Amino acid sequence: EVELVESGGGLVQPGGSLRLSCAASGFTFNNYAMSWVRQAPGKGLEWVSTISGSGGSKYNADFAKGRFTISRDNSKDTLYLQMNSLRVEDTAVYYCTKDQDSYGYLAFANWGQGTLVTVSS
Amino acid sequence: EIVMTQSPATLSMSPGERATLSCRASHGINNNFAWYQQKPGQTPRLLIYGASTRATGVPDRFSGSESGTEFTLTISSLQSDDFAIYYCQQYNNWPRTFGQGTKVEIK
Repeated sequence: EVELVESGGGLVQPGGSLRLSCAASGFTFNNYAMSWVRQAPGKGLEWVSTISGSGGSKYNADFAKGRFTISRDNSKDTLYLQMNSLRVEDTAVYYCTKDQDSYGYLAFANWGQGTLVTVSS
Repeated sequence: EIVMTQSPATLSMSPGERATLSCRASHGINNNFAWYQQKPGQTPRLLIYGASTRATGVPDRFSGSESGTEFTLTISSLQSDDFAIYYCQQYNNWPRTFGQGTKVEIK
């Protein structure tokens, strides 16, 4: 059974940094693209970033470019999101997701329980 | 950026009724399209991908269809478990984009 467990969220001041982690199990991690999707309180879903199975290709939302870095350690079956220069508007639950299949970049088939990031002074 | 526009924002329905949710893409997306369900306090769940293929474990009362850039999610007979927010999403282009959601509430 696929399991995705996020950690690393918390309260941070504007301009601060956080590193989110997502521990994956139940599938061959390096075969699948992985993504981060966020949801601000009471709002809809917003894609943040995607990384290929090998880690060689990365895609970012405009708001994430230059501030957020997605990475993965396939030896540890773990996905990361390094977030710098955080803004109040980055406050959200951040979900780790797994692609539905091992080819291409597809729908988000599996979701973690999410980790809450609160940016506030 | 491809804009996904969902309608209506809220659908007030009774159990047993047929629900029809719509999503329009601003450009063609080659059926690289998904529907997700999110219940209050829960994680989103993939329902439909490829515009019309049900994800594993999704009941057959859920069906998806497409006509050009118009996509439809139909719930043939609403069960109490189906009252939730539904999001559409395209995965044809970067950035990936979601619709704003349709809330299906009990009438």
